[in-house]
Amino acid sequence: GQGVEQPDNLMSVEGTFARVNCTYSTSGFNGLSWYQQREGHAPVFLSYVVLDGLKDSGHFSTFLSRSNGYSYLLLTELQIKDSASYLCAVRMPNYNVLYFGSGTKLTVEP
Amino acid sequence: NAGVIQTPRHKVTGKGQEATLWCEPISGHSAVFWYRQTIVQGLEFLTYFRNQAPIDDSGMPKERFSAQMPNQSHSTLKIQSTQPQDSAVYLCASSLRTGAYEQYFGPGTRLTVL
Repeated sequence: GQGVEQPDNLMSVEGTFARVNCTYSTSGFNGLSWYQQREGHAPVFLSYVVLDGLKDSGHFSTFLSRSNGYSYLLLTELQIKDSASYLCAVRMPNYNVLYFGSGTKLTVEP
Repeated sequence: NAGVIQTPRHKVTGKGQEATLWCEPISGHSAVFWYRQTIVQGLEFLTYFRNQAPIDDSGMPKERFSAQMPNQSHSTLKIQSTQPQDSAVYLCASSLRTGAYEQYFGPGTRLTVL
């Protein structure tokens, strides 16, 4: 199978930052996407990276290291409403199918 | 733009019954994906259509699951002889074209098999 791993839970404090990690070991790679999913709702697209390095998109930034099979999503200036699950997904070549990690539940405390 | 529409939102079936789930992709999107989400397994790919043609069904359980896309405005996922382990949220997603990296997800159908 395709291995995409994420920690189950992460806690952080309002106004600080949180880094959500994702490691992958897949038979192919055509980019990595991050999605946010609130309880009872559908995943919502946040970011897509295919080149190594840090991609700064303001509140959300993403980092990718293809040689290490590693990515993270960095959320800065956290707000309580950032509490949600964050899923990473490896995009496969050929047909661009996504293989998701199990998601990290981020809890932002006051 | 109403987004991806899935019906029903909730479905309860008895063991051994059939369940049909419906998806209406965003108008103009040529790629349609089906996923299944459970607490234990997370979000799993099931099958994928491009311009209504089945492209990849490698994630589908072979014996009881089938998917079709008879026209560009809807796709169906049919589960025959449902089992309790089929209980999950079934998500449909569409994207503008095969190469587009953003998939738009519907709200899902929560299937409960008693």
